[in-house]
Amino acid sequence: DAGVIQSPRHEVTEMGQEVTLRCKPISGHDYLFWYRQTMMRGLELLIYFNNNVPIDDSGMPEDRFSAKMPNASFSTLKIQPSEPRDSAVYFCASSFQGQDFEQFFGPGTRLTVL
Amino acid sequence: AQKITQTQPGMFVQEKEAVTLDCTYDTSDPSYGLFWYKQPSSGEMIFLIYQGSYDQQNATEGRYSLNFQKARKSANLVISASQLGDSAMYFCAIQEYGNKLVFGAGTILRVKS
Repeated sequence: DAGVIQSPRHEVTEMGQEVTLRCKPISGHDYLFWYRQTMMRGLELLIYFNNNVPIDDSGMPEDRFSAKMPNASFSTLKIQPSEPRDSAVYFCASSFQGQDFEQFFGPGTRLTVL
Repeated sequence: AQKITQTQPGMFVQEKEAVTLDCTYDTSDPSYGLFWYKQPSSGEMIFLIYQGSYDQQNATEGRYSLNFQKARKSANLVISASQLGDSAMYFCAIQEYGNKLVFGAGTILRVKS
């Protein structure tokens, strides 16, 4: 298996622009997680899905952030409009059955908002 | 209170020696899981080891073992026979009901030759 795939790997954009991050989970996994990593806040969960349904979005910072999972093999995290403080590494992870099972992380997308 | 506390911002260890990375946690959930992940300088997150709260024995995976002391709410990672490739950031995380992971701040480990 190719593992969790994220694109793009790097994104540089200007403040105010829309940014879309993409994730393809491991085939057969029924949980998908979006994390953000910054120096200040560490690794924090933004949102997670089970069987394509959002379960917990309490970590989503504000209305500028939205996430979708239209099918079992694809998810997006959108930031509109982007701000410099959104600069971070965004990880997507997937797991099978969730509880007590390891989450497999993608390589991350490094986002820089100028 | 912090869910996961990693008190060692950075650690050094001599190659081939063992090292213990500390992790304490806070939860009132009777069922939970503890995870350790490694993040090398390249940035990827690599799963190392898992311990369930009801597991009687300490988890082991190759050179990694988890020193689980439930009463003390402690889940320290022990790396035996350190290698230069073990130099990385190490994160402890807890999974309570609901499947999400809450990570600690991490410990940077440097292995010296």
